[in-house]
Amino acid sequence: DQQVKQNSPSLSVQEGRISILNCDYTNSMFDYFLWYKKYPAEGPTFLISISSIKDKNEDGRFTVFLNKSAKHLSLHIVPSQPGDSAVYFCAASLDSNYQLIWGAGTKLIIKP
Amino acid sequence: EPEVTQTPSHQVTQMGQEVILRCVPISNHLYFYWYRQILGQKVEFLVSFYNNEISEKSEIFDDQFSVERPDGSNFTLKIRSTKLEDSAMYFCASSGNLYNKNIQYFGAGTRLSVL
Repeated sequence: DQQVKQNSPSLSVQEGRISILNCDYTNSMFDYFLWYKKYPAEGPTFLISISSIKDKNEDGRFTVFLNKSAKHLSLHIVPSQPGDSAVYFCAASLDSNYQLIWGAGTKLIIKP
Repeated sequence: EPEVTQTPSHQVTQMGQEVILRCVPISNHLYFYWYRQILGQKVEFLVSFYNNEISEKSEIFDDQFSVERPDGSNFTLKIRSTKLEDSAMYFCASSGNLYNKNIQYFGAGTRLSVL
């Protein structure tokens, strides 16, 4: 099942610079997308979401962009901080059901 | 800030034994979920629960699994006869009402080790 794909297992970014995490999906019926952050030994923490009727949503340092024609979304973190080092998961859902479909995650490392 | 709590954090059991994983969802939430993540694999949906019944379940959620909301606060996942392949992190989640059910909030997880 590859409905949600995060093709970069890891990403290393200098502190203060922009981090861009990418996610692709195959099901054009998805109508809600979410980004979660996960530290070791903790559960996923909700970061930001976007409805399929929008193309951008911003919350502080976090912005999510959705390109429906390309079936692609990205999470921008600016400026990146050491505490942002974690695994980031992209997830998608259909309005008609309840489950979240998850990507494999991208490990973000912020270098001082 | 309200949070989802899960107990125990780590459960070790012998193959064939029954286990119950416990969760206390956020108090005013109406939708409850269980997910699991086998080491090195993606997070997988198991089941969702609303209005005291299962609303959706995946193929993983076979007859060995059951969920219950025994009182107004707890939400449990029972595995009747554990197998080695049930070893995973199990995450409980909850979400609010019909208009914002999409944002699910997760507990810290229970690591289940089946020996």
